[in-house]
Amino acid sequence: GAGVSQSPSNKVTEKGKDVELRCDPISGHTALYWYRQSLGQGLEFLIYFQGNSAPDKSGLPSDRFSAERTGGSVSTLTIQRTQQEDSAVYLCASSLGVGFYGYTFGSGTRLTVV
Amino acid sequence: GQQLNQSPQSMFIQEGEDVSMNCTSSSIFNTWLWYKQDPGEGPVLLIALYKAGELTSNGRLTAQFGITRKDSFLNISASIPSDVGIYFCAGLQSIIQGAQKLVFGQGTRLTINP
Repeated sequence: GAGVSQSPSNKVTEKGKDVELRCDPISGHTALYWYRQSLGQGLEFLIYFQGNSAPDKSGLPSDRFSAERTGGSVSTLTIQRTQQEDSAVYLCASSLGVGFYGYTFGSGTRLTVV
Repeated sequence: GQQLNQSPQSMFIQEGEDVSMNCTSSSIFNTWLWYKQDPGEGPVLLIALYKAGELTSNGRLTAQFGITRKDSFLNISASIPSDVGIYFCAGLQSIIQGAQKLVFGQGTRLTINP
């Protein structure tokens, strides 16, 4: 696609439920990143994909968070047993490849856990 | 954790005024970037700085990469209403397999009073 697409744009879920957030990167972009933006905070790195593998998942805050990428394209970030502190905007970015070619960010998914 | 300290956290200015914000780090970064985030959108790259001491302009924006490679500033001259948003500094950090990730500051929220 022309840009990075994320869905849903907004998600309200009850505490304890699982959620899946989706990212469609720009076609041909092999690098994909997930970031989390909490209210009034900067962007916190979560995980990096190169192709379908995740060489750096050091930013995932707990084992309730996981992510996968299939076909070198779409990525899904899953949060199990959501907690209120998981409420944030989850941003996905893609890049042409290894090294820095400039990130393109999606508009994010705003997750609210009630 | 967060490695970049950005200030001020918020600014309230009159249209036409100049704006200055800065970012410092305890670590050296070889590339500094400045992003702008509009409400409900992902961050968009404004300026990238690649050499220590470099001064780069993009229209009304001017950014400098500090000599020590541990700081950067962004200036906006003659602010206009569309400058409203959150500005982030970011440093490019090497991870593994030749890849890099962005480490972000906390952001500066710019509000322009009518």
